[in-house]
Amino acid sequence: ETGVTQTPRHLVMGMTNKKSLKCEQHLGHNAMYWYKQSAKKPLELMFVYSLEERVENNSVPSRFSPECPNSSHLFLHLHTLQPEDSALYLCASSQRTGVTYEQYFGPGTRLTVT
Amino acid sequence: DQQVKQNSPSLSVQEGRISILNCDYTNSMFDYFLWYKKYPAEGPTFLISISSIKDKNEDGRFTVFLNKSAKHLSLHIVPSQPGDSAVYFCAASEQGAQKLVFGQGTRLTINP
Repeated sequence: ETGVTQTPRHLVMGMTNKKSLKCEQHLGHNAMYWYKQSAKKPLELMFVYSLEERVENNSVPSRFSPECPNSSHLFLHLHTLQPEDSALYLCASSQRTGVTYEQYFGPGTRLTVT
Repeated sequence: DQQVKQNSPSLSVQEGRISILNCDYTNSMFDYFLWYKKYPAEGPTFLISISSIKDKNEDGRFTVFLNKSAKHLSLHIVPSQPGDSAVYFCAASEQGAQKLVFGQGTRLTINP
């Protein structure tokens, strides 16, 4: 595997379900991110982890719970979601050098909440 | 309040001609700007970037121009090819910040 991978690619869940999204980066980066992309809206940053420590939480509802067990893996735990949470969830990683800001994205998980 | 704006949701260009995608920003603290390209069912891929100390950066067919006084940047693609058809996102970052602020994207269609 190369780059940033995400599983599952598609997920349909009811509002009472609990599910998790998984992201893995194979680039040796030290920062990882979760983004949400809703239709016709910009990518919205949800969480940032740098060196496995959460450094940003962009006012995300508590029904989204991130977990970063090591620098290569990032999870997004979902519970009691609402239909408006249906969106494309993107994971990204980057190397914090203080000079470059490029983030590398996974293919995303298309989430539908019914 | 949207700090990065791409006011054209879509753009259609003939193959071989120049494509110009525009982006405006409001935060004067932004000092690094990036363009990403996104195909359907894929994540965005990094295309080209520019630091605020420059006004132009070129990479093959892609050139990004930055006008700091106008808080405006543009991406030029020449010549445009059918494979360039995608959604293009402009993004910006402040020095030391660990996050990118994205525009809403422009869908570019290259017609044969």
